[in-house]
Amino acid sequence: QGQLMQSATEVKKPGASVKISCKASGYNFTIFGITWVRQAPGQGLEWMGWMSVYSGNTKYPKKLQDRITMTRDKSTTTAYMELRSLRSDDTAVYYCARDVSVGSEWYFDIWGRGTLVTVSS
Amino acid sequence: DIQMTQSPSSLSASVGDRVTITCRASQSITTYLNWYQHKPGTAPKLLIYSASSLHSGVPSKFSGRGSGTDFTLTISGLQPEDFATYYCQQSYVTPFTFGQGTKLEIK
Repeated sequence: QGQLMQSATEVKKPGASVKISCKASGYNFTIFGITWVRQAPGQGLEWMGWMSVYSGNTKYPKKLQDRITMTRDKSTTTAYMELRSLRSDDTAVYYCARDVSVGSEWYFDIWGRGTLVTVSS
Repeated sequence: DIQMTQSPSSLSASVGDRVTITCRASQSITTYLNWYQHKPGTAPKLLIYSASSLHSGVPSKFSGRGSGTDFTLTISGLQPEDFATYYCQQSYVTPFTFGQGTKLEIK
């Protein structure tokens, strides 16, 4: 089964940082990856990056790679996503998802309920 | 980056209808194509992975086809709970990319 529980709503000022948590339960945390996806108001889904929970290796899109860091704490089965130098267009709902990569299959099968981050002065 | 283009962007249908949503990739992604259902205020749900494999617990009214650059999601026997936004997503190469979404509305 499995479940991902995300941290609460955040309100930040432009230029600040936000760190969202995603606590996994009900499955072996270390054998899957974690992906982060966001949805800005009225927009579609945007992939923000991937982390191997086992190794800590990460992949980020070029547009975010200078501002984003994904980490994890295996002892608490929690993944984190930190986004720095926030701008108004970072206002979005942020989702974590369990990342399954097996052979020629790669998909996101369990999702958190989302964390709303509002960036406003 | 691989661009994913869905059509139509919105679709009106009636309960009981069968609908098909198309997704086209800007280059071949073999079968690294997934479909998600998203309702406002909820987490997205995986429906189909690897173009045509039905995710566990997803009813067989959902089906996916395609390979290379052209893919379809078909939903049979529409029920009220099926009205949502549907996204395709390629996992062939990072950065992973989503289509812009198809909003399925009740006629």
